[in-house]
Amino acid sequence: EIVLTQSPDTLSLSPGESASLSCRASQSVDNNYLAWYQQRPGQVPRLLVYHASSRDTGIPDRFSGSGSGTDFTLTINGLELEDFAVYHCQQYSTAPMCSFGQGTKLEIK
Amino acid sequence: DVQLLESGGGLVQPGGSLRLSCAASRFTLTSFAMSWVRQAPGKGLEWVAVITGSGGSTHYADSVKGRFTVSRDRSSNTLFLHMTSLRAEDTAMYYCAKRPGPIGGPFHFWGLGTRVTVSS
Repeated sequence: EIVLTQSPDTLSLSPGESASLSCRASQSVDNNYLAWYQQRPGQVPRLLVYHASSRDTGIPDRFSGSGSGTDFTLTINGLELEDFAVYHCQQYSTAPMCSFGQGTKLEIK
Repeated sequence: DVQLLESGGGLVQPGGSLRLSCAASRFTLTSFAMSWVRQAPGKGLEWVAVITGSGGSTHYADSVKGRFTVSRDRSSNTLFLHMTSLRAEDTAMYYCAKRPGPIGGPFHFWGLGTRVTVSS
């Protein structure tokens, strides 16, 4: 099983700033099959990025994913109020199984 | 648009059983890998189980193996999760989620979830 560790657990920033969220895997994620989800309070997770760097349909370009192997990053440029949420990374290289990180909470400073 | 609607959650005593359903609309459920993902209160997401498209093979997280069974019904286009020997740590919101292919890929569609509480 691939264990994903996200850091930090909580990130406090102000609107307009940029956020960098990390997801580290216990072993290499083949084909960079790594996704990022956003979950606002009381809402269902929403797919933001898949294959490490491909934005899903309708996702603003201020969201970008990068990384390969065991180290991945979600960057959000010019934070907007609606971006303050919990972010989850997921690896699906072991399909049909998969695993998630523990989540990073992005909160308003 | 794709729709997933879960039902069947509720309050159950430790050791009890529950069957969750996920009714799928506007796509043929048996053509895609379908998973159950849960989220305990205040916690992260945990993948629980998957049934693949076409062949319908099933796979489970170690935490539920031997206690949970995922299945589907072609005629009603519905996914199920039969949960037995429930424990307090199974308390969570349970989501069904669809993948873009028969085996792998990210979860690009999610249901609204159904809440399960295991307590005496």
